[in-house]
Amino acid sequence: QSALTQPASVSGSPGQSITISCTGTSSDVGGYNYVSWYQQHPGKAPKLMIYEVSNRPSGVSNRFSGSKSGNTASLTISGLQAEDEADYYCSSYTSSSTQGYVFGTGTKVTVL
Amino acid sequence: QVQLVESGGGVVQPGGSLRLSCAASGFTFSSYGMHWVRQAPGKGLEWVAFIRYDGSNKYYADSVKGRFTISRDNSKNTLYLQMNSLRAEDTAVYYCAKDQFAWNDGPDAFDIWGQGTMVTVSS
Repeated sequence: QSALTQPASVSGSPGQSITISCTGTSSDVGGYNYVSWYQQHPGKAPKLMIYEVSNRPSGVSNRFSGSKSGNTASLTISGLQAEDEADYYCSSYTSSSTQGYVFGTGTKVTVL
Repeated sequence: QVQLVESGGGVVQPGGSLRLSCAASGFTFSSYGMHWVRQAPGKGLEWVAFIRYDGSNKYYADSVKGRFTISRDNSKNTLYLQMNSLRAEDTAVYYCAKDQFAWNDGPDAFDIWGQGTMVTVSS
């Protein structure tokens, strides 16, 4: 179960849009629409931001959106705000090796 | 409110055992699949194990298979993780997390997380 590949860091100015990529294989991201995204502030538990590729849970800002093309999923944050500065992880169901889930390597988002 | 509270972490020697607990409240525990996810210091998230809402199916990451056992007691609204043959690389914060949807027999997202409990494996 190899981790999904994310950029180590992404930055943007307040009000700008940024996109975080999450690359896997046909056994995970490319094979299933069960990609989710989590936000984690330092010392805190992760928070679900996107589920099933592009759906937002109740209470999550519509500035967060998700998409997928082939083996790569993406999280876009529009209208970047200071409170968006955090680590972001993608996750996907995987059928490789054993049934389960795999997380991405994580991306540190910095608001300049 | 919906809440998960982990306990049982601590310092253990290599080869030792530890049992983690996760107390659930604010939702119908017996209706939801549950997971353990861990995070080594300064590292990313790693999915560890899953148990179906009724305990009938369990899945494990390759890294813990044969050493860790996930279980649940729906009468006590509690999830467990029995960890045996612990290694230094098992050192991490261990989170319990719930499936987003009730009675779900397919893949799901993790919509509620506990605050985590630290496990340190060191001599």
